[in-house]
Amino acid sequence: DQQVKQNSPSLSVQEGRISILNCDYTNSMFDYFLWYKKYPAEGPTFLISISSIKDKNEDGRFTVFLNKSAKHLSLHIVPSQPGDSAVYFCAARRRSGGSNYKLTFGKGTLLTVNP
Amino acid sequence: DVKVTQSSRYLVKRTGEKVFLECVQDMDHENMFWYRQDPGLGLRLIYFSYDVKMKEKGDIPEGYSVSREKKERFSLILESASTNQTSMYLCASSRTGLYGYTFGSGTRLTVV
Repeated sequence: DQQVKQNSPSLSVQEGRISILNCDYTNSMFDYFLWYKKYPAEGPTFLISISSIKDKNEDGRFTVFLNKSAKHLSLHIVPSQPGDSAVYFCAARRRSGGSNYKLTFGKGTLLTVNP
Repeated sequence: DVKVTQSSRYLVKRTGEKVFLECVQDMDHENMFWYRQDPGLGLRLIYFSYDVKMKEKGDIPEGYSVSREKKERFSLILESASTNQTSMYLCASSRTGLYGYTFGSGTRLTVV
């Protein structure tokens, strides 16, 4: 039962254009959403997040949009740069007991930004 | 700079061996996690711990066990390594109530 879905395994864009990475979720108990970026042979690093009470969060070139009614979020990267080439994981948080939380990750999308 | 350190970047082990993967964090985080990453499958949770000596099964605990004797250290144990446990193993930690995980650099384990 995949609760966080990234349906595009890969995405290729030209440098300077917009990259849009999509993520769908099924569990309405998720209250916080995060994007992680992962380079080969490294651990994932936190990129940007959004609370379920918001519909947009922006940080420099990165913007995350949340559509709760559709249970959909997207990450926009503008403008895309070759250094953005990496695997991007969507993650969703839910309470796991007391004040503890657990993250559920999607399968990831490999973004390739071509010079 | 806060860190999650995994003891080995690359490991090669033989089928049937007992394998220990070590993870240490210096952030005084309560929560620690072990994931494995496989192509097309993403990050899958093996085990996690919210406190010393406490552990809970994740989504794919079969063939694994864990140990958390000290707050800063969380060990993943492969009781009898098999070739289908060849994978990238990622350790993470977080503070209770907060939203992000800090990941280690990963251990690429190959079982031959």
